[in-house]
Amino acid sequence: SAVISQKPSRDICQRGTSLTIQCQVDSQVTMMFWYRQQPGQSLTLIATANQGSEATYESGFVIDKFPISRPNLTFSTLTVSNMSPEDSSIYLCSASQGNYGYTFGSGTRLTVV
Amino acid sequence: AQTVTQSQPEMSVQEAETVTLSCTYDTSESDYYLFWYKQPPSRQMILVIRQEAYKQQNATENRFSVNFQKAAKSFSLKISDSQLGDAAMYFCALNAGNMLTFGGGTRLMVKP
Repeated sequence: SAVISQKPSRDICQRGTSLTIQCQVDSQVTMMFWYRQQPGQSLTLIATANQGSEATYESGFVIDKFPISRPNLTFSTLTVSNMSPEDSSIYLCSASQGNYGYTFGSGTRLTVV
Repeated sequence: AQTVTQSQPEMSVQEAETVTLSCTYDTSESDYYLFWYKQPPSRQMILVIRQEAYKQQNATENRFSVNFQKAAKSFSLKISDSQLGDAAMYFCALNAGNMLTFGGGTRLMVKP
């Protein structure tokens, strides 16, 4: 199965700044996904990113706040913009492996101070 | 819309014993897949086991097996001979229509 390298693994950021999270997949994948996970809770889908088209955002998430890039079939970035303490969370990327399930990056723990 | 429900926020098992984690789901899709993921404190989501909805036979992976009851829309995970390394959050997930939906998770504690 595909392996995803996600970075940074953690960061502490000042409010009002932006952080870009990167995910590199070791094989080509059609669909990539970005999730947010509060500590001890389940994963919430932020958006779906397909190569060559704009990301599709879930209710409650907007492109201005979470711009996503998907320049090719092995790479994607998520930017958390104009951060506030409420954005403190774990962010995970994922890639669809078709019927074999989904592979996940190791997550980025973001703390906004 | 599809939903996944895990009714047990926390479970505890004695080392070497067996534990069953519950999951129910709902979807209008006829073709779907079910998964159990393990998330240890490292945050890495690890696929434990998968089940195709069209297969009646329950999936098994070493000490992990599922009880898939399609009519009841139930998908429980049984862990046999529990080990300390099994302690983690476990998430049930439904893949239908290219959308992956997670349950709320069950925290499994393993007592030595």
